[in-house]
Amino acid sequence: AQKITQTQPGMFVQEKEAVTLDCTYDTSDQSYGLFWYKQPSSGEMIFLIYQGSYDEQNATEGRYSLNFQKARKSANLVISASQLGDSAMYFCAMRSTDSSYKLIFGSGTRLLVRP
Amino acid sequence: EPEVTQTPSHQVTQMGQEVILRCVPISNHLYFYWYRQILGQKVEFLVSFYNNEISEKSEIFDDQFSVERPDGSNFTLKIRSTKLEDSAMYFCASTLTGGTDYEQYFGPGTRLTVT
Repeated sequence: AQKITQTQPGMFVQEKEAVTLDCTYDTSDQSYGLFWYKQPSSGEMIFLIYQGSYDEQNATEGRYSLNFQKARKSANLVISASQLGDSAMYFCAMRSTDSSYKLIFGSGTRLLVRP
Repeated sequence: EPEVTQTPSHQVTQMGQEVILRCVPISNHLYFYWYRQILGQKVEFLVSFYNNEISEKSEIFDDQFSVERPDGSNFTLKIRSTKLEDSAMYFCASTLTGGTDYEQYFGPGTRLTVT
């Protein structure tokens, strides 16, 4: 069965510094997709970044990058130059390879950016 | 940019009542999903829908739940007789096609409160 683990329930970071949010996954599939979503206090789910299992380069989207270590089965999110607006819940997710292609989410990490 | 919409944003209902949560997925998308997030917890898969039928449902999706795509645009989740434990945020999502590398677009959510 596929599983996503986020071991940091909460993190603090100083404004303008970088922060890494951890995510490990478990799957026996060769082909899979990993996603990060941001959930601000307003509740919506905002897509941040995607990494495919066959992608050789780490994904980047603006200030977000994904540190993908396939052998370790980790897909950590790195946020550079943190801003106050980055304070939110962050979820790592894996796209299942069964016929539904549903997302399997981790328990999330709450990030608080300090001024 | 196309988006998934959901109505209502907040619904309060009494235990035992029926509720219908509505979603309009992105128009050319083929896969549709409902997820649930109990306050402070992770996002959980409820059901996936493809080609006018359920492709997968979770253990949570019991006989009290049903989904429908009554026309070409709406996608609804019905809870026949609500329980207190159904109180949660319900997210609708859609994706263009199958495969592990397609983003799932989430709606803003409907917060259901059962009293």
